[in-house]
Amino acid sequence: DAGVIQSPRHEVTEMGQEVTLRCKPISGHNSLFWYRQTMMRGLELLIYFNNNVPIDDSGMPEDRFSAKMPNASFSTLKIQPSEPRDSAVYFCASISGHLRQFFGPGTRLTVL
Amino acid sequence: SQQGEEDPQALSIQEGENATMNCSYKTSINNLQWYRQNSGRGLVHLILIRSNEREKHSGRLRVTLDTSKKSSSLLITASRAADTASYFCAPYQAGTALIFGKGTTLSVSS
Repeated sequence: DAGVIQSPRHEVTEMGQEVTLRCKPISGHNSLFWYRQTMMRGLELLIYFNNNVPIDDSGMPEDRFSAKMPNASFSTLKIQPSEPRDSAVYFCASISGHLRQFFGPGTRLTVL
Repeated sequence: SQQGEEDPQALSIQEGENATMNCSYKTSINNLQWYRQNSGRGLVHLILIRSNEREKHSGRLRVTLDTSKKSSSLLITASRAADTASYFCAPYQAGTALIFGKGTTLSVSS
């Protein structure tokens, strides 16, 4: 199994641009999570899905952030418009049942 | 969801020494998980201990869980330079998401 796949691995963009981060969870996992990590705030849960349905998006910072999971094998996190304070590493993770969570390698986002 | 709080925030030891990290949480759990993060990488699951277990071993790792005190500890024995990383605990309640604290940053010098 290839594990959780995220793309792109690095993204540099300018303030105001739209950014789309992508995630492919491990096949058979029924829950998917998006986290954001910064030095200041640590690892924050943004949103998670169960069986493709968003369960808790209370961690999404503001309306500029949106996430979708159109099917069991794909999810996107979109930021529009992006701001410098959105610069962080964004992780996607998936899990099956109550067992261990598998993290992707992360997308390092820099907004200039 | 609830967040675990790791203590200490940072720990520096010599190779061969043991490293102990603690975790506290607030409400009842189904299990508690420990993860490791090497710099610039995603978190990697280390060990899971269920609420009805008190101690669990995996290689050089030993995890304890005291549900009455709502606390857990992770012991790494005979540490190596490669153990240098951040360690996170994640208390899990069924139907919720894992929330991570700031972690313990472990530095092992040779």
